[in-house]
Amino acid sequence: DVKVTQSSRYLVKRTGEKVFLECVQDMDHENMFWYRQDPGLGLRLIYFSYDVKMKEKGDIPEGYSVSREKKERFSLILESASTNQTSMYLCASGWGPSGETQYFGPGTRLLVL
Amino acid sequence: AQSVTQLDSQVPVFEEAPVELRCNYSSSVSVYLFWYVQYPNQGLQLLLKYLSGSTLVKGINGFEAEFNKSQTSFHLRKPSVHISDTAEYFCAVSDPSPGNQFYFGTGTSLTVIP
Repeated sequence: DVKVTQSSRYLVKRTGEKVFLECVQDMDHENMFWYRQDPGLGLRLIYFSYDVKMKEKGDIPEGYSVSREKKERFSLILESASTNQTSMYLCASGWGPSGETQYFGPGTRLLVL
Repeated sequence: AQSVTQLDSQVPVFEEAPVELRCNYSSSVSVYLFWYVQYPNQGLQLLLKYLSGSTLVKGINGFEAEFNKSQTSFHLRKPSVHISDTAEYFCAVSDPSPGNQFYFGTGTSLTVIP
């Protein structure tokens, strides 16, 4: 069974803090993704990576950065957290480039105060 | 870029009744199509997918979907719903290219009423 794990289920941070969200997958997938999910907006892609040390901006990259030093791990970084980054963050992984299934982690619910 | 429209944001339905959740996408070029389900406080789980072949796709938990290329639709159906089907459902389209980017709809909240 594919397993995608995220380092925290719930996180509370203060405005201005640097926040790290970690995602690990165990299926040797080339592609990894970070989304944020907000009510009424569905899932919006923040960043994705199709290889180690490679990254591509998604639809809403502003205020975020990513790191992929190893194939199985993809980190999302909020350089200076703001209240409008309060959201559910979902990590996913999948094989590429055929467009096959993405497998999701359980999500991290981040509250920025 | 693709866009995905889920026409109903909320669908209430009585237990054991049939349900259809609608999904339309923007492009008529070859795409892959997916339905995911999200139970409260969980990540997304794949229900079914269309890559090629038969336009009627069967998935888990008794769900099925029909790909209609001329109408650029991929509606999800279940003949008889259960209380446990109460969840958020997302339609997605993927663009077969390096990076395998997915485009998601805004979701449909299905509530099954006892």
